[in-house]
Amino acid sequence: GQQLNQSPQSMFIQEGEDVSMNCTSSSIFNTWLWYKQDPGEGPVLLIALYKAGELTSNGRLTAQFGITRKDSFLNISASIPSDVGIYFCAGQLKGGSEKLVFGKGTKLTVNP
Amino acid sequence: DAGVIQSPRHEVTEMGQEVTLRCKPISGHNSLFWYRQTMMRGLELLIYFNNNVPIDDSGMPEDRFSAKMPNASFSTLKIQPSEPRDSAVYFCASSFGLSGYTFGSGTRLTVV
Repeated sequence: GQQLNQSPQSMFIQEGEDVSMNCTSSSIFNTWLWYKQDPGEGPVLLIALYKAGELTSNGRLTAQFGITRKDSFLNISASIPSDVGIYFCAGQLKGGSEKLVFGKGTKLTVNP
Repeated sequence: DAGVIQSPRHEVTEMGQEVTLRCKPISGHNSLFWYRQTMMRGLELLIYFNNNVPIDDSGMPEDRFSAKMPNASFSTLKIQPSEPRDSAVYFCASSFGLSGYTFGSGTRLTVV
């Protein structure tokens, strides 16, 4: 099936640092979504991107839909301890249904 | 809005027993998705419904798994008979198109 390559797999950073993670694919996507999952909970939607080149912010989070429609990145600025969790990218394939393809996640640890 | 409601939150059962997981989607959402999450395989889509009709069940592992959506406000995922390798967290999500693609808190299933 279609694959989303998400990197890095894990990150260990100090509070206050900026973070960047990305997803790439060989397939073209219509939509990119970024989720955060806390322990024992379901993923929560952070940002949705619907157009190639779109750059969207949500507080300290910024995400972009790549021009080629095959990639997306998520940046977190000035990280804080509550940013800890697993971040997932998800994409809706071009010509596809509402089915989403998920990356394997980036586990973020923030040291106070 | 109560969000997507799943029950039970935790289920421990013996191998060979039938397991039924339940989901109440967000009112007004017309698509419902069942996912399985494991460390090894990440988030996998098992099946999804649109307007209560199963659209894609290609992710259902085998005949031991079945899902129903008898009405717009309720869905079940059944495993019969259960096996230890079915142990995972099972998530239900609902959406209206891709808008508000929302996950429940999941059911952690342990088959011993």
